[in-house]
Amino acid sequence: RKEVEQDPGPFNVPEGATVAFNCTYSNSASQSFFWYRQDCRKEPKLLMSVYSSGNEDGRFTAQLNRASQYISLLIRDSKLSDSATYLCVVTWFSGGYNKLIFGAGTRLAVHP
Amino acid sequence: NAGVTQTPKFRVLKTGQSMTLLCAQDMNHEYMYWYRQDPGMGLRLIHYSVGEGTTAKGEVPDGYNVSRLKKQNFLLGLESAAPSQTSVYFCASTRTEYPETQYFGPGTRLLVL
Repeated sequence: RKEVEQDPGPFNVPEGATVAFNCTYSNSASQSFFWYRQDCRKEPKLLMSVYSSGNEDGRFTAQLNRASQYISLLIRDSKLSDSATYLCVVTWFSGGYNKLIFGAGTRLAVHP
Repeated sequence: NAGVTQTPKFRVLKTGQSMTLLCAQDMNHEYMYWYRQDPGMGLRLIHYSVGEGTTAKGEVPDGYNVSRLKKQNFLLGLESAAPSQTSVYFCASTRTEYPETQYFGPGTRLLVL
């Protein structure tokens, strides 16, 4: 089983749609959780952190469920510019450092 | 302020050749990392450094060596390239050990024939 699993997609949605991605992780000792965005042939960039209480940043809402070991990302009112791959990232301390474990990503394509 | 830069952007090697990838950051960050990204897989950590003169192994270190002689530079070396090392390589740096401050370079695409 992969340490961090995501549905690879692609999710093809029209502009204005609401779309949700889930991510599951295997290590119950995971400490921090993030969503990164990666545009085609570009580097990953931090989109938002994910907190136990849930957090919102404009059209983006992230949720964490520690009991079920999954995190989610909700995008409301999708824009063409939201088309990208969304990477779920989980961290835990192992081998002397904070390991970042990246999911393989979920691809989103927003069309007119 | 250029952030994190990587050289070269793209390279083609023949099996058995060697090369060095350069990562440079101008943010005075202590921590630097080398990852590889392959289709259908998440980024995987190759090596990392917690400061000038220090390096340590990540998840997939075999076939790679690194050096951090200067704080701003982190070099990744392939002594004898293999087709399995065809990948996109990303360098990242952080001011502290906390991952939310991690900044990535633009990547180096390497093809080993």
